[in-house]
Amino acid sequence: AQKITQTQPGMFVQEKEAVTLDCTYDTSDQSYGLFWYKQPSSGEMIFLIYQGSYDEQNATEGRYSLNFQKARKSANLVISASQLGDSAMYFCAMRLNYGGSQGNLIFGKGTKLSVKP
Amino acid sequence: NAGVTQTPKFRVLKTGQSMTLLCAQDMNHEYMYWYRQDPGMGLRLIHYSVGEGTTAKGEVPDGYNVSRLKKQNFLLGLESAAPSQTSVYFCASSYEGVYSYEQYFGPGTRLTVT
Repeated sequence: AQKITQTQPGMFVQEKEAVTLDCTYDTSDQSYGLFWYKQPSSGEMIFLIYQGSYDEQNATEGRYSLNFQKARKSANLVISASQLGDSAMYFCAMRLNYGGSQGNLIFGKGTKLSVKP
Repeated sequence: NAGVTQTPKFRVLKTGQSMTLLCAQDMNHEYMYWYRQDPGMGLRLIHYSVGEGTTAKGEVPDGYNVSRLKKQNFLLGLESAAPSQTSVYFCASSYEGVYSYEQYFGPGTRLTVT
């Protein structure tokens, strides 16, 4: 069965430091996409970054980078230079490119990140 | 360009009552999804649609029905609400479904069933 595991229910990081949020995934499919979303206390889901299973380079978007290790089935999110506004829930998600529910996302349970001043 | 909008934002129902949640998108997306989010959980797929007039079940479809009569709208109905349906409901849309890089989410509807 397809599954996303986020083992860190909560994390603390000092402002301006880097932090890594862990995500492992389970699928026997070869073609899939991995996503990270941010959910602040206001509740909306904000897309951060995407990595395709065939992408050779790790994805980067500003202060966000995705450390993709395909053999280990991990897709960790790295946030550099943390800011107070980064305090939020972070969800890792997977989309299968074949079968499944036509592109729907399978979500992990999330990691709550708190940035300390 | 409003993106994905959801109506209402909040609702309180009594057990057994019915209601419809409306999702609208103005991006001409083919694919639309309804998810629910419970405390301590990620989002789980309820139903989805790959185009006007089509719907299909997701992971947790029981107690819900959906309709996609117009491409821009995706309705989620609760015929007889139960306390277990207390949740935050998110609608999302994407252009191509499987190969779309991003799903665009609405702001969510917080539903409480007493």
